Amino acid sequence: KAGVTQTPRYLIKTRGQQVTLSCSPISGHRSVSWYQQTPGQGLQFLFEYFSETQRNKGNFPGRFSGRQFSNSRSEMNVSTLELGDSALYLCASSATLQGRDNEQFFGPGTRLTVL
Amino acid sequence: AQKVTQAQTEISVVEKEDVTLDCVYETRDTTYYLFWYKQPPSGELVFLIRRNSFDEQNEISGRYSWNFQKSTSSFNFTITASQVVDSAVYFCALSQPKMNSGYSTLTFGKGTMLLVSP
Repeated sequence: KAGVTQTPRYLIKTRGQQVTLSCSPISGHRSVSWYQQTPGQGLQFLFEYFSETQRNKGNFPGRFSGRQFSNSRSEMNVSTLELGDSALYLCASSATLQGRDNEQFFGPGTRLTVL
Repeated sequence: AQKVTQAQTEISVVEKEDVTLDCVYETRDTTYYLFWYKQPPSGELVFLIRRNSFDEQNEISGRYSWNFQKSTSSFNFTITASQVVDSAVYFCALSQPKMNSGYSTLTFGKGTMLLVSP
């Protein structure tokens, strides 16, 4: 079974630009979560999608948004990039939202550098 | 609010030494899950173990073992006879499934970098 895939793996943008990152979950998984990892703040939850609906959102500004498609693939978008948005963005998929199946499998991440 | 504390920022050991990574968590809920993940230099988080709050049995998997102590809100991870390949950042995480709305998120500790030298 293929794992979680994320594209692109590396990205360099300049301040003020916007960026879209993509995540394909494990086949059959319907929940996709996004996390931001920085040296200073560590791993922080961005949002979670299940069946094309955002179910939970972390404490990030509105510049960070996402969506999920009917095939469970998800994208996250960051508009008006700031230097502090430089981070490793990790996507995780799980089979369901609750109960014993909430084990999350992570992708390799997209490393975003904002210049 | 939930919180996970990994007080050890970095640990250095020599190969074959045993090493324990500490994890202390805070939560008001009675139902929750605890996790350990490994993050090698490649960046991908690798799932190691999940434990639910009602199962305090310790677990052993090869050279890895986990000690869950609800009384002290700790979920420590021990690597026996460490190897160079164990060098990575290890994260402890807490998840609280919300049964009605059905979503859950992971709250991570800051991670412990383990360096195993030959």
